[in-house]
Amino acid sequence: DAKTTQPNSMESNEEEPVHLPCNHSTISGTDYIHWYRQLPSQGPEYVIHGLTSNVNNRMASLAIAEDRKSSTLILHRATLRDAAVYYCIRSWGKLQFGAGTQVVVTP
Amino acid sequence: DVKVTQSSRYLVKRTGEKVFLECVQDMDHENMFWYRQDPGLGLRLIYFSYDVKMKEKGDIPEGYSVSREKKERFSLILESASTNQTSMYLCASSSAKVQGRALRETQYFGPGTRLLVL
Repeated sequence: DAKTTQPNSMESNEEEPVHLPCNHSTISGTDYIHWYRQLPSQGPEYVIHGLTSNVNNRMASLAIAEDRKSSTLILHRATLRDAAVYYCIRSWGKLQFGAGTQVVVTP
Repeated sequence: DVKVTQSSRYLVKRTGEKVFLECVQDMDHENMFWYRQDPGLGLRLIYFSYDVKMKEKGDIPEGYSVSREKKERFSLILESASTNQTSMYLCASSSAKVQGRALRETQYFGPGTRLLVL
């Protein structure tokens, strides 16, 4: 089973950090964890990915649990432009997009 | 930055028409993909290609065909459009060099084509 589990939605105030959790309890040792986001009326946009170690880039940070059964995407300072659906994907065979988490950012 | 472009943002066609959706990427990527996205169903893979003139079926290839004559261009063809093909169509590309990893690597998406079949 290549599915991941994410909350349906999360709300944050502008300028505050957002922590988006994802469970992937059946992940195998070679699967990467990818995060994409999709803004309204746009295609999905790559955010970050990792295997075992925590990862940082200009968009976000990815914290991966030691047992790799869960991960957290961290947006350090949410802006209104970060309002989107965020997808956590386990690359088992192929990238399978689930329902994702709708992030709402309030001014 | 990787750029994936799709020929149209919005398209309206009639049942039975032949429909061509074009996708172009400018990063010399080996692999290209076509998905459709529907509410409640997420993204579903239609076809992908890991090389010129090569194609592989995804999860829902029925009613669709593809063409990849040049590395940068991947076309999705609806031979005879039907109303249940009304959807958002998304093209993507990736640079994975190893064929077996094409589906697992980071993909870069185009803006999508919203197709309405009447």
